[in-house]
Amino acid sequence: KQEVTQIPAALSVPEGENLVLNCSFTDSAIYNLQWFRQDPGKGLTSLLLIQSSQREQTSGRLNASLDKSSGRSTLYIAASQPGDSATYLCAALCRGSGANSKLTFGKGITLSVRP
Amino acid sequence: GAGVSQSPRYKVTKRGQDVALRCDPISGHVSLYWYRQALGQGPEFLTYFNYEAQQDKSGLPNDRFSAERPEGSISTLTIQRTEQRDSAMYRCASSLAFSSRRINQPQHFGDGTRLSIL
Repeated sequence: KQEVTQIPAALSVPEGENLVLNCSFTDSAIYNLQWFRQDPGKGLTSLLLIQSSQREQTSGRLNASLDKSSGRSTLYIAASQPGDSATYLCAALCRGSGANSKLTFGKGITLSVRP
Repeated sequence: GAGVSQSPRYKVTKRGQDVALRCDPISGHVSLYWYRQALGQGPEFLTYFNYEAQQDKSGLPNDRFSAERPEGSISTLTIQRTEQRDSAMYRCASSLAFSSRRINQPQHFGDGTRLSIL
């Protein structure tokens, strides 16, 4: 059974700092890994999706890397801003029931960027 | 609307009542997913559909939970004889294409239904 872990559960940084959010997974046989952003009272927004054959993906100030062999992914946020404050979840796409696949989520890291 | 729409946003009901949660996916999206999210946890998979066919219901916790998508668009998650442990945020997501082992389109999530069982 796939388990996804995100540590620490919460992080507070001053504005402008570059930061790294970590995600680890127990089963390296994943199909892809996704990072989501969750704002209070809102749905989840997909930020980046890394296919299993890829090493990283970039979107603006965000960069996500994937190392399947070590069971790790990182989300790098450059020049953090107060608007980046949210909960960030990673999710691994794994084999589900039969021929299907399903996402397994971590608990998330709640980020606070102080002005 | 352009996004996934869930209703109601909030539902408070007494233990033992049945509840029905609705999800209206993005127009044209083939796959629809249901998740349950407890406070401080990530979403946990419940079930999903391709068109009207329920592909995987391995995440449904017990037989009080059921879901349908009769016309391949709107879906309803029904919980019968609710219990306090059913209290959670229920999230729906949709994606453009089939989910298969190697191809995964990003899932677009609704704002969720917060269910509270008294």
